[in-house]
Amino acid sequence: QLQLQESGPGLVKPSETLSLTCTVSGGSISSSTYYWGWIRQPPGKGLEWIGSIYYSGSTYYNPSLKSRVIISVDTSKNQFSLNLSSVTAADTAVYYCATLQATVWAWFDPWGQGTLVTVSS
Amino acid sequence: DIVMTQSPDSLAVSLGERATINCMSSRSVFYSSNSKNYLAWYQQKPGQPPKLLIYWASTRESGVPDRFSGSGSGTDFTLTISSLQAEDVAVYYCQQYYSSPLTFGGGTKVEIK
Repeated sequence: QLQLQESGPGLVKPSETLSLTCTVSGGSISSSTYYWGWIRQPPGKGLEWIGSIYYSGSTYYNPSLKSRVIISVDTSKNQFSLNLSSVTAADTAVYYCATLQATVWAWFDPWGQGTLVTVSS
Repeated sequence: DIVMTQSPDSLAVSLGERATINCMSSRSVFYSSNSKNYLAWYQQKPGQPPKLLIYWASTRESGVPDRFSGSGSGTDFTLTISSLQAEDVAVYYCQQYYSSPLTFGGGTKVEIK
């Protein structure tokens, strides 16, 4: 079955760019069956969808973050990535990657374990 | 944006008793062309990612115990745990996937009384 694993720096300085990668195993990121997404959760708070991507490169972003977000896919590595620019302390969160089944407007399953990113100087 | 509002924020239920969590959307998430409600429920335990419990408002994910059930339509939805077990202590979230941006409720924390 599909497994996802986030990786990237756990500490990012204010105004810099947060970069994370999600590695997919147990299936192909190029499958037409799946879309791929990023979700974040500030400590002790709720969940916020950041954006999603299809293997073809089509992207869908949350308007609240769209000006700062780029999501990309690398089919040769079975990975997709998140870049969030001009970060502030408000971007401190656990960042999850997850799978959407069959359509970009869907539920998320499965999820990666998540990675905590702290924005601090 | 469709705003998802959950209630209560937290509840304490005795073991074996029923727990009921409500989720209200600011607009209908029912798509008449396929008669489906675009709503999912998740369970999140401390230090873990959310786990999908229910999609299409009432379809239980494979492997999810049948004490979990989802109901409702349009703008009002309910997640029911029919007989609370110790392992059900968690925060529960609803999510709409009717329109962009995908949005989640604020969460309901379920504890043992």
